[in-house]
Amino acid sequence: GNSVTQMEGPVTLSEEAFLTINCTYTATGYPSLFWYVQYPGEGLQLLLKATKADDKGSNKGFEATYRKETTSFHLEKGSVQVSDSAVYFCALISNFGNEKLTFGTGTRLTIIP
Amino acid sequence: DVKVTQSSRYLVKRTGEKVFLECVQDMDHENMFWYRQDPGLGLRLIYFSYDVKMKEKGDIPEGYSVSREKKERFSLILESASTNQTSMYLCASSRIQGGMTQYFGPGTRLLVL
Repeated sequence: GNSVTQMEGPVTLSEEAFLTINCTYTATGYPSLFWYVQYPGEGLQLLLKATKADDKGSNKGFEATYRKETTSFHLEKGSVQVSDSAVYFCALISNFGNEKLTFGTGTRLTIIP
Repeated sequence: DVKVTQSSRYLVKRTGEKVFLECVQDMDHENMFWYRQDPGLGLRLIYFSYDVKMKEKGDIPEGYSVSREKKERFSLILESASTNQTSMYLCASSRIQGGMTQYFGPGTRLLVL
């Protein structure tokens, strides 16, 4: 079946540091890949997505590239801010037959000033 | 903007009570989903629906049922609440085309005593 493995947290960084959150996946076919973010007290919201190999999703300074050869979709940001403190979820949707999202366990990120 | 609303942000119920969680979306989406979110486990799919009166079990349907009488509304029912159903419950919706983004509500934090 489908699965998503993401970097264990929590992760604590200083403001303006470089961020990487690793995500690898197992899926049949060619899934679409997503990063969702959950700010404190809120539901999830889409951060970025990529629907085919070598696509790069980007939003709010975050980027992730769909790497089929390494089955990875690592999230990166060059200079994090305190407002980026949140829980980040990597997820996929298989392109076979249904629209069920498979999520990773989430990575809590805390940015200190 | 897509809006997904959930009937309550916080609920406290007693063991054995019947609990209704309501979700409404305003974007005419075909798909609707119920997840529960628990620390260290990420999000797990309970049920989803791809059309009015249609439903499919997700990964953890035991102890839950759902109802979708209208396209915009998807209800999660705990027939007899138990303490292990204490969790955060998230509703989402999406269009039916492949790989579509899911839009999430703010969540309902349920405590079963």
